[in-house]
Amino acid sequence: KAGVTQTPRYLIKTRGQQVTLSCSPISGHRSVSWYQQTPGQGLQFLFEYFSETQRNKGNFPGRFSGRQFSNSRSEMNVSTLELGDSALYLCASNWGLPNTEAFFGQGTRLTVV
Amino acid sequence: EDQVTQSPEALRLQEGESSSLNCSYTVSGLRGLFWYRQDPGKGPEFLFTLYSAGEEKEKERLKATLTKKESFLHITAPKPEDSATYLCAVQERTYNNNDMRFGAGTRLTVKP
Repeated sequence: KAGVTQTPRYLIKTRGQQVTLSCSPISGHRSVSWYQQTPGQGLQFLFEYFSETQRNKGNFPGRFSGRQFSNSRSEMNVSTLELGDSALYLCASNWGLPNTEAFFGQGTRLTVV
Repeated sequence: EDQVTQSPEALRLQEGESSSLNCSYTVSGLRGLFWYRQDPGKGPEFLFTLYSAGEEKEKERLKATLTKKESFLHITAPKPEDSATYLCAVQERTYNNNDMRFGAGTRLTVKP
C-alpha cells in the first residue's frame, strides 16, 4: 500500500515569494495534517483538514493556508515568504478518528533565501 | 500550559547497552500518546500508540510503557541501526481535535 507522498521534496525560494506544497494521503485516509519542523522549535502543528474542511489550526500567521480536495489530497500555501519559514514541512494522514496514529510523508525541505 | 518534555536530549550507547528514553507530559486530558522514530531528512515513522496508564507495547528491541504523567521507551540490546531521533507526541481529549503535540525528541546514537 502506497504511503503518504509529498511533492516536491526540495524547494528554494526567495523572500517575498509564495509557495505551494502538495500532499497525497494514504488511500482511504480522510484527514491530512500539516506540520513544520525546525531545529529550534521541533515539530509544530499547522492545521488539519478533514473532508475538505479545516478542522483544527495551530498558532501560525495567516500567511500559512491550506486546502483539501475531494480526493483527500491537500495543498499548503505560504505567501510572502520570510527567511524564518525555512523548514521541513511534513504532512500526515489518518482515518480522521481520534486516537488513530498518523502516518507521515518524507517532507518538503523549503529553503528561503 | 500543556507540554511534552523528552529526556535526555541526546543519548550515546554502545551496541548491546540497554537504556530508556523518557517522555513526560502535562495535558488536561490524555487521549493517546504516540512514539515515532525519525531518521535524518525523513518523515517520522510510527512506532506505538498508548492509551491508558499501565499499558505496554513491544516491537523487536523496543518497549513502550505509560503512566499517568510519563512514558518510557525502553531499548534492549540496541544495534547501530536503532540510531535515530525518537519523538513522542500526545493527543488531547478534545472533540474533533486530531492534532498531536510533539516533544523535542531524543537523538539516539548506538556505536558498534
